[in-house]
Amino acid sequence: QKEVEQNSGPLSVPEGAIASLNCTYSDRGSQSFFWYRQYSGKSPELIMFIYSNGDKEDGRFTAQLNKASQYVSLLIRDSQPSDSATYLCAVSPLTGGYQKVTFGIGTKLQVIP
Amino acid sequence: DAGITQSPRHKVTETGTPVTLRCHQTENHRYMYWYRQDPGHGLRLIHYSYGVKDTDKGEVSDGYSVSRSKTEDFLLTLESATSSQTSVYFCAIRAGANTEAFFGQGTRLTVV
Repeated sequence: QKEVEQNSGPLSVPEGAIASLNCTYSDRGSQSFFWYRQYSGKSPELIMFIYSNGDKEDGRFTAQLNKASQYVSLLIRDSQPSDSATYLCAVSPLTGGYQKVTFGIGTKLQVIP
Repeated sequence: DAGITQSPRHKVTETGTPVTLRCHQTENHRYMYWYRQDPGHGLRLIHYSYGVKDTDKGEVSDGYSVSRSKTEDFLLTLESATSSQTSVYFCAIRAGANTEAFFGQGTRLTVV
């Protein structure tokens, strides 16, 4: 059973701080890693993806991947109340297509004004 | 927003009745997926389609069937609804390999 582990939270951070969201995965053959944001009562939307070890930055968001340690993280700089949502980590193996993507349960982030 | 519409958005049904959820897309994307989302679980794949009349089972397919007779429509049927199928159901679409998946608004189904 391939697993993707996330702390469900809530993770509370003050406005303007850095929010750090973490995800570990069990399948060493995992190749692609995604972060989705899901507002309460809404659908997931892709905000970041990463394939290679290291950091990938997009605006206030940075995804970090460490395949040796089997974790991927999402940093949100200058957190805003509008960032309050649940963040889903998703992991895909090398082969098999998107139908093989495994989702974590998500971490609820609360940004306190 | 990607052109995905799920219907109905909310439904309450009785145990033992059949239920059909519809996912309609206007993007002409090849791949379509049905997921369920429950507290304490990540999104779990029920069934997916890789073309008209081409479908396959996902992780939690028992008690569900699907059909795709047109590119734009992917139907999910609960053959005889049970309380364990109370959930939020999401449809997703994808154009092809290495492309982003877009999710529909979700259908909240309650089986009483």
